[in-house]
Amino acid sequence: GEDVEQSLFLSVREGDSSVINCTYTDSSSTYLYWYKQEPGAGLQLLTYIFSNMDMKQDQRLTVLLNKKDKHLSLRIADTQTGDSAIYFCAESQNQAGTALIFGKGTTLSVSS
Amino acid sequence: ETGVTQSPTHLIKTRGQQVTLRCSSQSGHNTVSWYQQALGQGPQFIFQYYREEENGRGNFPPRFSGLQFPNYSSELNVNALELDDSALYLCASAVGGDYGYTFGSGTRLTVV
Repeated sequence: GEDVEQSLFLSVREGDSSVINCTYTDSSSTYLYWYKQEPGAGLQLLTYIFSNMDMKQDQRLTVLLNKKDKHLSLRIADTQTGDSAIYFCAESQNQAGTALIFGKGTTLSVSS
Repeated sequence: ETGVTQSPTHLIKTRGQQVTLRCSSQSGHNTVSWYQQALGQGPQFIFQYYREEENGRGNFPPRFSGLQFPNYSSELNVNALELDDSALYLCASAVGGDYGYTFGSGTRLTVV
């Protein structure tokens, strides 16, 4: 079956790097996503990676994909207090994402 | 800034009642999905519409139904509300073949 797992909580100091990890079980997933949710808000797409890629970098964000271990990570460099939010890993099986399967989310807390 | 608008933002209903939630997508977004996010959980896929026809459904009973209209708006209808239906309901839209969905801010439904 499909399942996405994430650690529930991460606490870092401002200026440090944050690494949020995710494991997924569906080997047929073609796209993997990271979404950010701030309190009272919907989901904001941060970045995505195709399953045939190992790494993707977008400004402060670096996504690493280990397809063999079905492990996805999101690294946020120079973490700021504004990065405090819940981060969701999600997988889908086709381009338009017929269904996004989400993890339970990792709450990132950044202290100054 | 999101191009997907949901209404209402908050809603309180009594068990057994019916509710209609609305979503207005960006022009050209011919795919819309609805998700249910219970407190402390990741979003769960309810169903998806493509060009006004349902083309995917998650593990939700038939009392959850929807419509998509030619003007890129859509509805989620829930009949015979139960206490466990209390959640944040998220609408997400995309252009078919796009990478990743744009989410609205959600409707928080409380069933008492």
